[in-house]
Amino acid sequence: DTGVSQNPRHKITKRGQNVTFRCDPISEHNRLYWYRQTLGQGPEFLTYFQNEAQLEKSRLLSDRFSAERPKGSFSTLEIQRTEQGDSAMYLCASSSGVGDSGSAFFGQGTRLTVV
Amino acid sequence: KQEVTQIPAALSVPEGENLVLNCSFTDSAIYNLQWFRQDPGKGLTSLLLIQSSQREQTSGRLNASLDKSSGRSTLYIAASQPGDSATYLCAVSTSGSRLTFGEGTQLTVNP
Repeated sequence: DTGVSQNPRHKITKRGQNVTFRCDPISEHNRLYWYRQTLGQGPEFLTYFQNEAQLEKSRLLSDRFSAERPKGSFSTLEIQRTEQGDSAMYLCASSSGVGDSGSAFFGQGTRLTVV
Repeated sequence: KQEVTQIPAALSVPEGENLVLNCSFTDSAIYNLQWFRQDPGKGLTSLLLIQSSQREQTSGRLNASLDKSSGRSTLYIAASQPGDSATYLCAVSTSGSRLTFGEGTQLTVNP
């Protein structure tokens, strides 16, 4: 296993279009996280899955955003009716922590540009 | 609400210098603290993880300390190299397993 994989690496879309990103976590990790990062800022938490259950969602995750993790393996993040403010790097991370003891491992991110 | 602050925002040093990056957090009830490195346009690479019960962790030329009661952590980089140039991010885990990040310190090591 080579780590957390995200696809696509880059996405350019027109305002109003829907986009979907995919994250494949490290295979033995049961926890999966999505973060968003804008230029010059640290990543901001969006949502968290333990296995297939979505346990926490940030207020940043508006109703245009939806995330799934069917069967507790890969995850998808969909943004509907994209806006220019959605332009950012979307990062996925996974961990296998007992409690909160595990390190989080991040993918290379998907850079979204909304034009 | 947990808030994480990193000082300085940017740092430029000559090669070979030892340096310290600072991180502070407002809520001391953390589970762990993690330091990451981020190269431009890339994802995050985990450098060191300190559990709440630990005082420090070391990996090669890197040493991270944690003072939970005062809400502070430092990342010490010994004998800096141009390849260390990157943004260094501090993140703390509190309830719910989410990480709260600082805005990072952008480090430039000049040959």
